[in-house]
Amino acid sequence: GAVVSQHPSRVICKSGTSVKIECRSLDFQATTMFWYRQFPKKSLMLMATSNEGSKATYEQGVEKDKFLINHASLTLSTLTVTSAHPEDSSFYICSAPQHTGELFFGEGSRLTVL
Amino acid sequence: TQLLEQSPQFLSIQEGENLTVYCNSSSVFSSLQWYRQEPGEGPVLLVTVVTGGEVKKLKRLTFQFGDARKDSSLHITAAQPGDTGLYLCAGVESWGKLQFGAGTQVVVTP
Repeated sequence: GAVVSQHPSRVICKSGTSVKIECRSLDFQATTMFWYRQFPKKSLMLMATSNEGSKATYEQGVEKDKFLINHASLTLSTLTVTSAHPEDSSFYICSAPQHTGELFFGEGSRLTVL
Repeated sequence: TQLLEQSPQFLSIQEGENLTVYCNSSSVFSSLQWYRQEPGEGPVLLVTVVTGGEVKKLKRLTFQFGDARKDSSLHITAAQPGDTGLYLCAGVESWGKLQFGAGTQVVVTP
């Protein structure tokens, strides 16, 4: 079946560095992907909608310059956390809808900023 | 922004007991989904409810969608330790875009 894969699943970085997280739709094309952030024992908060061929749409309160989103192809969206700080530590999850409307989530990427 | 409230936030029960999780919205969604998530993993879709008054059953799980399509409930019968997880309701706003509730952490002890 359709699968959405994220990489890396875990990443640890130093404060001030940038980290890139990839979200791939493995056997279907996705013109739209969604990025969520989740804190421990909390729900998923939508950060932005990634649009292939155009700029991402960010939710209110999400810093565009901090969380750079690039939808490079119909199967790949990337989230780059720039100049990361400890408060950016979180679980980041992407999702992608198939043309049928069925939605698939990635496995998530846990970012720890030291 | 449409808000989805879930209750309770945390539920701890013994194996074999029943439980109900509630999801209430301030407005109407075209459809509502329920997910279960385990630590360190992405959420897994359990069910989608679309029609007001709809009831769906998935083995020991029963899902209801309110007549006004603003509230939903998830009932688990004879809970098992494998039912432990974070249960999330989500309103479908548009193509693939979801508004999640705060989640209910369910712990089922043997």
